[in-house]
Amino acid sequence: GAVVSQHPSWVICKSGTSVKIECRSLDFQATTMFWYRQFPKQSLMLMATSNEGSKATYEQGVEKDKFLINHASLTLSTLTVTSAHPEDSSFYICSARDGRLAGNEQFFGPGTRLTVL
Amino acid sequence: QKEVEQNSGPLSVPEGAIASLNCTYSDRGSQSFFWYRQYSGKSPELIMSIYSNGDKEDGRFTAQLNKASQYVSLLIRDSQPSDSATYLCAVNEAAGNKLTFGGGTRVLVKP
Repeated sequence: GAVVSQHPSWVICKSGTSVKIECRSLDFQATTMFWYRQFPKQSLMLMATSNEGSKATYEQGVEKDKFLINHASLTLSTLTVTSAHPEDSSFYICSARDGRLAGNEQFFGPGTRLTVL
Repeated sequence: QKEVEQNSGPLSVPEGAIASLNCTYSDRGSQSFFWYRQYSGKSPELIMSIYSNGDKEDGRFTAQLNKASQYVSLLIRDSQPSDSATYLCAVNEAAGNKLTFGGGTRVLVKP
């Protein structure tokens, strides 16, 4: 159980274009999903917390108008990187909490590697 | 600012030995603690969770928690080359459901 998928697994785009990344919980309903970014040789950096049916909560320094998050159902959250630039190139990883579990474990998707040319 | 500290390593251990990883955290009210394993180029994988003081064993892994000292550790027994990865300590914030991650400890198991 607790399987999270992400799509696409990698994407290359031109500067100025937008990219959408999907995160799905496959075998459970995710009350909360999280979006992280990880640069090479660095740890995970939380970008935002996404709750189904409500607006995402962004971490300090993360531009909400650039990184659009939608959590329209209990199994799907999307992250759209708008007007992407080379400095947005990174490994984007989503995670989800299984509301059935008493703990606060987060289960991670396989990640999406974004390269902006 | 809430912090989670780990030795970055690399921690080099011979095959079959015990790898000992340490993690300290600053949020005294934290109640949930997790160890994730991350292979190079991959996303983190949950390997252990611990909520109470003491030891918790799962296969070759043992997590140890001491809330008074704000310290959590992970032991990997009979280390295998496949255990070579970065191990991330994560602590749930006392208020809310966010995890704060340490920088990770890179473990190298040499045959």
